This record gives sequence, C-alpha cells and structure tokens, in this order.
Amino acid sequence: DAGVIQSPRHEVTEMGQEVTLRCKPISGHDYLFWYRQTMMRGLELLIYFNNNVPIDDSGMPEDRFSAKMPNASFSTLKIQPSEPRDSAVYFCASSHTPGLAGENTGELFFGEGSRLTVL
Amino acid sequence: QKEVEQNSGPLSVPEGAIASLNCTYSDRGSQSFFWYRQYSGKSPELIMSIYSNGDKEDGRFTAQLNKASQYVSLLIRDSQPSDSATYLCAVGFYGNNRLAFGKGNQVVVIP
Repeated sequence: DAGVIQSPRHEVTEMGQEVTLRCKPISGHDYLFWYRQTMMRGLELLIYFNNNVPIDDSGMPEDRFSAKMPNASFSTLKIQPSEPRDSAVYFCASSHTPGLAGENTGELFFGEGSRLTVL
Repeated sequence: QKEVEQNSGPLSVPEGAIASLNCTYSDRGSQSFFWYRQYSGKSPELIMSIYSNGDKEDGRFTAQLNKASQYVSLLIRDSQPSDSATYLCAVGFYGNNRLAFGKGNQVVVIP
C-alpha cells in the first residue's frame, strides 16, 4: 500500500514567488495534517482536515498561507508571497479515525516532506 | 509554555548501553502519548504509544507514563548504532488525532 505522497521533494524559489506543495494521503484515511519543521521551532502543526473539512487552522502563521483539500485524495498548501523565513521542511501526514478496529489511536503516517528554500 | 517540552541536549551513549529520554507536557487533560523516531533527512515514524500510567515494553523500547507528574519517558535498552536518530515526543487527545510534538532529542550511539 502506498504511503503518503508529497511533491515536490525539494523547492528552491525566490522571495515573493508563489509556492504550492501537494499531498496525497493514504487511501481510507480521513484525517490530513500539514506540519512545518525547523531547527528552531521543531515540528509545528499548521492545519488539519477531517473528511476534507478544515478543522483547525490556528497554526497557519499568517494570511500568506492557505490550504485546501478538494477531495479525499488530494491536498495543497500554498504560500503567496513566499519569504525567506518560510524556509523549512513541510510534512503532510494522514491518519484514520482513532479507535477503529483497535488500531493505535493517533498514529500519524508522514510523507517524506517537501524541503522549501526561499532565497 | 510550550505544550510539549524535551529539554535535554544531544545524548551520546555507548553501544549496548541504555538511552533514557524524557518529555513533559503542559495540558493535564492529555490522554495519548507517543514517541516518534526521525532519522536525519527522513520523516518521523511511530515507535511507541502509551495511554495509561505505568510502563509499556516493545522489544528494546520501554515507554513510561506518569500523568500525575505530566511526564513521559522512553528507554532504549541495548542501544545499537541504528538507534542513532532524533526522538520526538508527541501528545494528543482521544478522538482527535491532533498531536503536539516536542522539539526532539538527538541520540548518538557510539560503536
């Protein structure tokens, strides 16, 4: 079974450009999360969706960031305009509703991440 | 105060020794606790979950939870060079898969 798929793996762009990161969650998972990881701040939750509906976007740093999930198999995180301080690794993760069939509650399956560098 | 704190710096342990990692959390209502391992340049992967006070063992790993003191720990017995990684503590609630992560502790196992 394929894991969480993210693209691009690496993105180098100039300040002011629009950046779009993409994620395909594991089939059947109804939760999708976007995290950002930096050395200074660690792994921060930006936004998460349940059944394609945004539940909590309080971690989105500012209006330059937006996320969508048009269907159960695809999500995007967009930064417009990008700034050097947005440089980080962005992870997408998915999981299923906790407690189903006795599986581990809260196990997140992470994609390989998108490393963003804004010059 | 951050939700999840992992304060100790990089941990170097000789091969075969026990590595001990600690984590504290601020929300007393937290109900689920996890340890993720992250190799350099890779994504986090779940290695342990614990929900009740006490110890939980899985192979060479033991997770310990003390809700009264709001801390969770991870012991790695018989440390191997392949255990060299960053270990992330994560805390969440039942019925809600939102997890708060600590910044992680780097473990280096010296052959």
